[in-house]
Amino acid sequence: ETGVTQSPTHLIKTRGQQVTLRCSSQSGHNTVSWYQQALGQGPQFIFQYYREEENGRGNFPPRFSGLQFPNYSSELNVNALELDDSALYLCASSLEHGYEQYFGPGTRLTVT
Amino acid sequence: AQSVTQPDIHITVSEGASLELRCNYSYGATPYLFWYVQSPGQGLQLLLKYFSGDTLVQGIKGFEAEFKRSQSSFNLRKPSVHWSDAAEYFCAVAPGTNAGKSTFGDGTTLTVKP
Repeated sequence: ETGVTQSPTHLIKTRGQQVTLRCSSQSGHNTVSWYQQALGQGPQFIFQYYREEENGRGNFPPRFSGLQFPNYSSELNVNALELDDSALYLCASSLEHGYEQYFGPGTRLTVT
Repeated sequence: AQSVTQPDIHITVSEGASLELRCNYSYGATPYLFWYVQSPGQGLQLLLKYFSGDTLVQGIKGFEAEFKRSQSSFNLRKPSVHWSDAAEYFCAVAPGTNAGKSTFGDGTTLTVKP
């Protein structure tokens, strides 16, 4: 059974640019959640995708957007990057938005 | 809206000593509670969860947690800490049964002295 994977591991971008982060969910899981973890803080919920539809969103602006594909993998897109977007971005998958979620190792984004 | 408070930013214990990490939550209905551990540069691993039933729950790596509704608390305990337990610990609460919409505390960093 393959766990949750994320790519890339690290990324450096310039303010104003756009970035795409990728996540492959655990085998059989149809729900993906994205979290932002700033340095010294806990993860903050960005949004969740269930069967290719957005299923809830946290307090993040529209420049944070996502996609989920038929194989349940997912992308997080961030437009017009700001310095405060520098963080660890975590993806987690679950079955039927259920009782447990399994996290990937994260993508470290640095915005300069 | 749900929220989680972890009052202790940093805790240091000696190897072999007992450990208790505090977590207080705010949620209008029956909470669905979790403890996760995060090692440096890694994702989060689920230690244990509480949804209903017995208020003392057992998890992996010898951890347990007790749910106390009257105190809105879900404290994590371990009777004897090992050096490999040094990490950051996060408490989280989820709405209903959807773990993927969790709200996390800001974590407690555990240092283990030899």
